[in-house]
Formats: sequence, C-alpha cells, structure tokens
Amino acid sequence: QSILTQPPSLSGAPGQRVTISCTGSSSNIGANYEVHWYQQLPGTAPKLLIYGDTNRPAGVPDRFSGSRSGTSASLAITGLQAEDEGEYYCQSYDRSLRGYVFGIGTMVTVL
Amino acid sequence: QVQLQESGPGLVKPSETLSLMCAVSGYSISSGYYWAWIRQPPGKGLEWIGNIYHSGSTFYNSSLKSRVTIAVDTSKNQFSLTLSSVTAADTGIYYCARRNMVAPNNYFDPWGQGTLVTVSS
Repeated sequence: QSILTQPPSLSGAPGQRVTISCTGSSSNIGANYEVHWYQQLPGTAPKLLIYGDTNRPAGVPDRFSGSRSGTSASLAITGLQAEDEGEYYCQSYDRSLRGYVFGIGTMVTVL
Repeated sequence: QVQLQESGPGLVKPSETLSLMCAVSGYSISSGYYWAWIRQPPGKGLEWIGNIYHSGSTFYNSSLKSRVTIAVDTSKNQFSLTLSSVTAADTGIYYCARRNMVAPNNYFDPWGQGTLVTVSS
C-alpha cells in the first residue's frame, strides 16, 4: 500500500482534460514537502514531468500542469493526445519514513 | 547531456547478492549532485532504494537498509548497488537516476533506461 494515493486509472478522449490526484498525509504533502510528477510511457523509463509542485522542465509541453492544496496534489493534462497514454507517478518526501515515496501510479488511457 | 546506463546480471539466485553498476556520461559525479537507485517490481509502482554523494555519503530506504550498499567510484564515473539475501520479491526493473541537491524536496532526473533483474533458481 503506497503512502501516496492515486487513482489506478483514468481515461479521456483526445482534446479533453484529465486530472490525476495524489493524496498524502501530514507527514509528507501536508508537511509542505514538494510534489513531483513523472511520466512513464510503455516500455520506457520514468521521465520527470513536473517538479516543485508546479514547475515544468525544459521541453515539457504546457499542456501539463501541477497544483497542490493541503495534503493533496494534482496533475492536469489539457488537450489530451494519444502520445500521453502511459503511467503517471507522484513523488514526495515523507518525514516519518525519512525517505522518498511514490504513488502507486495512474494509467491514463486515451480513448 | 547527462546519461545514465545500468548494467549487471539479469538473473540472480535466491539468497544470493544482486550487484548492479550505473555508468554516468556527460557529467562528472565528482562535480556534485546525489545519485540514486530506484526499482519497479513487475506491473507495480516505483520504490526508492537509496542515494549516494560523491564523497561516499549514503542515505537508504529504511525498509531495505539492512541489505543495501551503494558505493561510488569517481575514477570511473560510476556508482553501484548491492542487495544481499535476495528473494523473489526483489525481482524487478532497477533504475539509476540523478537526484537534485536541495534536500528534502528532491526529485530524480534524468533516469537510466533500467535493467531487469529476476530472482529465481
């Protein structure tokens, strides 16, 4: 059982908006530790998508955006494209575990 | 452009020791950053294993700490992972990655392509 909870799967039609939630607790997201997001396309390694809650690394389209509130964070994908189909993971630091934790991952399917 | 490449045996017997190497190119490990190992069991999520700094300072996942050793070889610009007393639960894809400096709000970027390790007799 992951410390950070994500929905196992989401789907959307091309062009739609989908939002992936990442729910933590007072020992991680709620303690103001930053949330980072990774995209893992089929058969590839994870790639950093969002860092520091809201920041996009160079080369990441602005269709991807991050936000946080309280003990949760969210990743929004607007204008969903077929190439966005894959697994998305949130990650933060947990002060009780004294280590880095990942969500279980959300599989995004483009209908 | 920083690139990381994992290498090592793809098959390890139960109770034996798993050993992997991560070669770094495009950046000198001695210049800074922390370097990490992360694994992914088949069909499952990601698990952080541990980090090392070029000085040799390490930081491990408490659930694996008794079995894990991460070491660095700055002369070869690579770092390694050893995991002892492996079981089938240690089967998975093992990734190496670079961790940014500003603790504890750390993220991992970039990642190696990963190497599959199967624990089986």
